[in-house]
Amino acid sequence: GQNIDQPTEMTATEGAIVQINCTYQTSGFNGLFWYQQHAGEAPTFLSYNVLDGLEEKGRFSSFLSRSKGYSYLLLKELQMKDSASYLCAVRRNSGNTPLVFGKGTRLSVIA
Amino acid sequence: SAVISQKPSRDICQRGTSLTIQCQVDSQVTMMFWYRQQPGQSLTLIATANQGSEATYESGFVIDKFPISRPNLTFSTLTVSNMSPEDSSIYLCSVEELWTEDGYTFGSGTRLTVV
Repeated sequence: GQNIDQPTEMTATEGAIVQINCTYQTSGFNGLFWYQQHAGEAPTFLSYNVLDGLEEKGRFSSFLSRSKGYSYLLLKELQMKDSASYLCAVRRNSGNTPLVFGKGTRLSVIA
Repeated sequence: SAVISQKPSRDICQRGTSLTIQCQVDSQVTMMFWYRQQPGQSLTLIATANQGSEATYESGFVIDKFPISRPNLTFSTLTVSNMSPEDSSIYLCSVEELWTEDGYTFGSGTRLTVV
């Protein structure tokens, strides 16, 4: 089966840094994606890792360790608008393959 | 990035009836994916729709309950049949952006309430 785990909820303070972890055990691996989803909206793409290491995009960074089945999303200089759900998803094969999602982490940013 | 137009955005339906959800993509795509997102939950894959062949359903989802059409490379429909309150959920379609760094694009979702 497919197992993708991430914390259910996190709370962090405006201006701080937060790390959202994701561990996965899937039948096949061809990349890990992070999406942001605000309530009532569709998920929007944040980052993609297929090789080990850190990918940085402005305030957002994502890390992958394939040997450990582990990824994290790092959000810096948190803003109130970052309050959202963050979804970790795995693509199991190359090309025209659906994503398998974790349960999502609901992040609340407080003043 | 591809743009997906999904309709309807929301609906309230009587139990026992059926609702058909449409997704129109502004470019040709090989596969379209249909997901369900129950309240407060993440996305669960219902099926993969390939043009010209029957959709492939995930465990727990069957064609009689969720028939899918894929008449061409830019369009797909998902029907939720014989609805019950347990079908109340958000339904989303998605396509893979093979030639961009953006991963996958999602429709805006259909919020279904069954009463």
